Amino acid sequence: GQNIDQPTEMTATEGAIVQINCTYQTSGFNGLFWYQQHAGEAPTFLSYNVLDGLEEKGRFSSFLSRSKGYSYLLLKELQMKDSASYLCAATDSNYQLIWGAGTKLIIKP
Amino acid sequence: GAVVSQHPSRVICKSGTSVKIECRSLDFQATTMFWYRQFPKQSLMLMATSNEGSKATYEQGVEKDKFLINHASLTLSTLTVTSAHPEDSSFYICSVPGENDRGEQFFGPGTRLTVL
Repeated sequence: GQNIDQPTEMTATEGAIVQINCTYQTSGFNGLFWYQQHAGEAPTFLSYNVLDGLEEKGRFSSFLSRSKGYSYLLLKELQMKDSASYLCAATDSNYQLIWGAGTKLIIKP
Repeated sequence: GAVVSQHPSRVICKSGTSVKIECRSLDFQATTMFWYRQFPKQSLMLMATSNEGSKATYEQGVEKDKFLINHASLTLSTLTVTSAHPEDSSFYICSVPGENDRGEQFFGPGTRLTVL
């Protein structure tokens, strides 16, 4: 079956760095997305990886290892507004998004 | 990316009534739209894929007679929750696929449905 695993909840301190891990098993693979979702709002796109390696975009970076079925989202210089859920989603052979349950990130002052 | 709107943003209704939710793609013609449901502290669950001019494709376990989907134009899809019950209370979100081929989706702001 198809499955995405990510931690349920993480806590970090304002100004620090946090890494959110995601492992996936899909029927075929055509890329991995990270979305941010604030409570009561819709998800917004953060990053996309299809090749192995690190993609950096400002304070956020995303890494992919296709051979390991593994990705992480790295958030630097954490701000209180980064408190949200972070959703990992992989696209299968049909380009259908398979969603993880999301990681709730709590930022403390 | 595509700009997607949903209406209403919140709706409270009595048990047994029907509720219609609209999803509009404001700057992009979408032959396909996706409807998701999200219960508190849970992930997005794909309910159905809406196809312009043809029948929607429902995911396993989703009652097509209860969740009616109409995709009448390239910019509008509607989801009607018929005979709503308290267990239908949820956050309903629609999305539109991006123009590239990588599977990206752009989401509407969501509709919070509460059935009393």
